[in-house]
Amino acid sequence: AQSVTQPDIHITVSEGASLELRCNYSYGATPYLFWYVQSPGQGLQLLLKYFSGDTLVQGIKGFEAEFKRSQSSFNLRKPSVHWSDAAEYFCAVALPTTSGTYKYIFGTGTRLKVLA
Amino acid sequence: NAGVTQTPKFQVLKTGQSMTLQCAQDMNHNSMYWYRQDPGMGLRLIYYSASEGTTDKGEVPNGYNVSRLNKREFSLRLESAAPSQTSVYFCASSEAWGTGNTEAFFGQGTRLTVV
Repeated sequence: AQSVTQPDIHITVSEGASLELRCNYSYGATPYLFWYVQSPGQGLQLLLKYFSGDTLVQGIKGFEAEFKRSQSSFNLRKPSVHWSDAAEYFCAVALPTTSGTYKYIFGTGTRLKVLA
Repeated sequence: NAGVTQTPKFQVLKTGQSMTLQCAQDMNHNSMYWYRQDPGMGLRLIYYSASEGTTDKGEVPNGYNVSRLNKREFSLRLESAAPSQTSVYFCASSEAWGTGNTEAFFGQGTRLTVV
């Protein structure tokens, strides 16, 4: 079955350290992939997306992600984390449906804690 | 632009009561979605609608009904609320028609508690 796996439930990093959040997907064709961020009590905000072309995509707030087809991965990275990056991060894939649209399937999320 | 607007933001129900969560988008999107978010489980798709007049079941549809009233509005109804439906509910919309190269836009959520 098509799915998205985020193996890390919690990650703690020090402010200024680098960050990598892992995401693996299970889907036969070329996927449409997304990373979202959710601050406490808020909705989801798109960080970046991959559709095709360059496998390294840049997003907002200094985030980037790399699509690796051979590893079925789409890991999120940031060179230097700021305290304001503390939030929950979700990886998602868009899957085609028989009704002509796409549905978005999400991973279980990774909660990031940033130490001062 | 308001984007995706959900009402209410908070609600407490007693077991067996019914209620409707409202969602409206002003981006002229064709597709709309309802998700629930529970700790450790991410977002799970309840129902979605590809266009006005069509709805389809997602991963966890049991206990819910939906109505795509028009292109803007997509409501979620709980006919007989159960404690297991305590969750945060998110509505989303997208222009994903024929291609998935567009993101979903989310509302701020409705926090529902069933006692």
